[in-house]
Amino acid sequence: DIQMTQSPSSLSASVGDRVTITCQASQDISNHLNWYQQKPGKAPKLLIYDAYNLETGVPSRFSGGGSATEFTFTISSLQPEDIAIYYCQQYHDLPYTFGQGTKLDIK
Amino acid sequence: QPQLQESGPGLVKPSQTLSLTCTVSGDSISSRSYYWGWIRQPPGKGLEWIGSIYYSGSTYDNPSLKSRVTMSADTSKNEFSLKMRSVTAADTAVYYCARQRLQKRENVFDIWGQGTMVTVSS
Repeated sequence: DIQMTQSPSSLSASVGDRVTITCQASQDISNHLNWYQQKPGKAPKLLIYDAYNLETGVPSRFSGGGSATEFTFTISSLQPEDIAIYYCQQYHDLPYTFGQGTKLDIK
Repeated sequence: QPQLQESGPGLVKPSQTLSLTCTVSGDSISSRSYYWGWIRQPPGKGLEWIGSIYYSGSTYDNPSLKSRVTMSADTSKNEFSLKMRSVTAADTAVYYCARQRLQKRENVFDIWGQGTMVTVSS
């Protein structure tokens, strides 16, 4: 299985800060990576697909980048409603696998 | 906006079979653009893909579940189902169903159900 490793595991930042999360794949996955946001008690929500494509309706402060084994997820200006756990997910090979999650909260 | 809703017993005894159904509204599971998937999340832990099914009945699942999984689709009821045999406490989790948008350059779980908690305990 392809292992997905996110860093950091948790992060505190202030409103308005630029926040970046990284996701490392255990092998080359091209750009076959998605990012999801999960708020407490809720289902995950798709934010970014194919590494850098913004899902329809998702605010433009969210962005993604990278390829092969190194990927980033960025919030350009953190908002209070962005408090959540963020997961990366690869679909390059079966089984689909997720990162362990990055918990983001407000400082 | 399509909606998905999981249903099934919240408590299953060890060694028995977990059975869940996902009812879809606002979309057709017969759509050729989508697969339909199951993902689970143990309490306080991360996400694990269980498997996916196409309306035709074609399925693929996570080998880590050691062939304990059976999925089916009922187009007349617009729902799809998951059965997991020989459950143990390790199968305790929130189970989500999701629409899987699978196209040439995309493979995403774009719409999710709210999730249903299943506890395996005697």
